[in-house]
Amino acid sequence: GDSVTQMEGPVTLSEEAFLTINCTYTATGYPSLFWYVQYPGEGLQLLLKATKADDKGSNKGFEATYRKETTSFHLEKGSVQVSDSAVYFCALSSSSGNTPLVFGKGTRLSVIA
Amino acid sequence: EADIYQTPRYLVIGTGKKITLECSQTMGHDKMYWYQQDPGMELHLIHYSYGVNSTEKGDLSSESTVSRIRTEHFPLTLESARPSHTSQYLCASSFSTSPYEQYFGPGTRLTVT
Repeated sequence: GDSVTQMEGPVTLSEEAFLTINCTYTATGYPSLFWYVQYPGEGLQLLLKATKADDKGSNKGFEATYRKETTSFHLEKGSVQVSDSAVYFCALSSSSGNTPLVFGKGTRLSVIA
Repeated sequence: EADIYQTPRYLVIGTGKKITLECSQTMGHDKMYWYQQDPGMELHLIHYSYGVNSTEKGDLSSESTVSRIRTEHFPLTLESARPSHTSQYLCASSFSTSPYEQYFGPGTRLTVT
């Protein structure tokens, strides 16, 4: 079945450092791909998405490109802030949408001043 | 901004009590989901519904039950709470059209003593 693998954390960075969180997937057909963010004590928020190969999703300085040849959707940000400290989840939806989203296990990011 | 609500936000209850966690959405989404989130952050799908009078069990075996009598409402019930039910419960909803992204509520933190 479909699956998502993302890098294990925790990831600790200094403010203004470059961030990469790796995400790879296994799926049949052409899934849509998502990154969600969860701040402490809250639910998940959709951060960005991409629906077809070579699409780039972007939001709040975060970017991820849908790479079908490497089955990847890595999250990047050029300069992180303390306020970016959160848990990040990579997810995919099947081409048909007949099954719920498949989530990765989450990566905790801590940004220190 | 997605409009999905969960009540209560926090609940502390004794063993053996019956509890219902409420989830409502005002977006007209036909699909709704319940997740249990463990302290290690991973999400576990416990129930989902693709429409009124339709419910399915998820990947994680759960002693809870759900109902879907109205499109906007998807309550989760525990007939007899146990300490092992202590967890964060997240409700989500989505449309049936691509790309099928889910919108999450703020969660209910349940503690069973």
